[in-house]
Amino acid sequence: GAVVSQHPSWVICKSGTSVKIECRSLDFQATTMFWYRQFPKQSLMLMATSNEGSKATYEQGVEKDKFLINHASLTLSTLTVTSAHPEDSSFYICSALTGSGNTEAFFGQGTRLTVV
Amino acid sequence: AQTVTQSQPEMSVQEAETVTLSCTYDTSENNYYLFWYKQPPSRQMILVIRQEAYKQQNATENRFSVNFQKAAKSFSLKISDSQLGDTAMYFCAFMSGAQKLVFGQGTRLTINP
Repeated sequence: GAVVSQHPSWVICKSGTSVKIECRSLDFQATTMFWYRQFPKQSLMLMATSNEGSKATYEQGVEKDKFLINHASLTLSTLTVTSAHPEDSSFYICSALTGSGNTEAFFGQGTRLTVV
Repeated sequence: AQTVTQSQPEMSVQEAETVTLSCTYDTSENNYYLFWYKQPPSRQMILVIRQEAYKQQNATENRFSVNFQKAAKSFSLKISDSQLGDTAMYFCAFMSGAQKLVFGQGTRLTINP
């Protein structure tokens, strides 16, 4: 299947700093990527839809200014957590669509963010 | 809005047994896709099986098969001859024209030796 690479796998940052997470589609072009957040022992919660060349679409309750998404190319989307706080600590996962009718989602390995 | 419900938070079976995970969903749309994803301890999401709503035939992938009941809005996953490597969280998911995946709460499956 298609490969989606997410980097870094884990990151620790201090409160008040910003951290960037990258999501790359390695062997296909992805016009649409998605960012999820997963709390321990819970399901994936969609944060936003990232569209190449246009502004991201955020789900209700997700702060646009805190979670900046940039999809500057067909193979790269980035999520920047700005002014991070301990409550932002979580597991973040990206996915990209490909396949027939763009209905097959492939996921990155995820990023564990810890804000201290 | 679409919702996906997995009513079994945890399940446990012996190796080589067959296990069925339940999933129900709610939607007013007629064309959509249903998926089962596996999330092992590594937390990498892995596609197990997918079903197009317009297809009446149930999808099958080796030991994994689904029972898709469109009228009942039910989409269960059957794992035959379960293996230790099947131990993972399993998520049922729904996708419609908006191409967003909506996930159920997940079922933690443990295969015991």
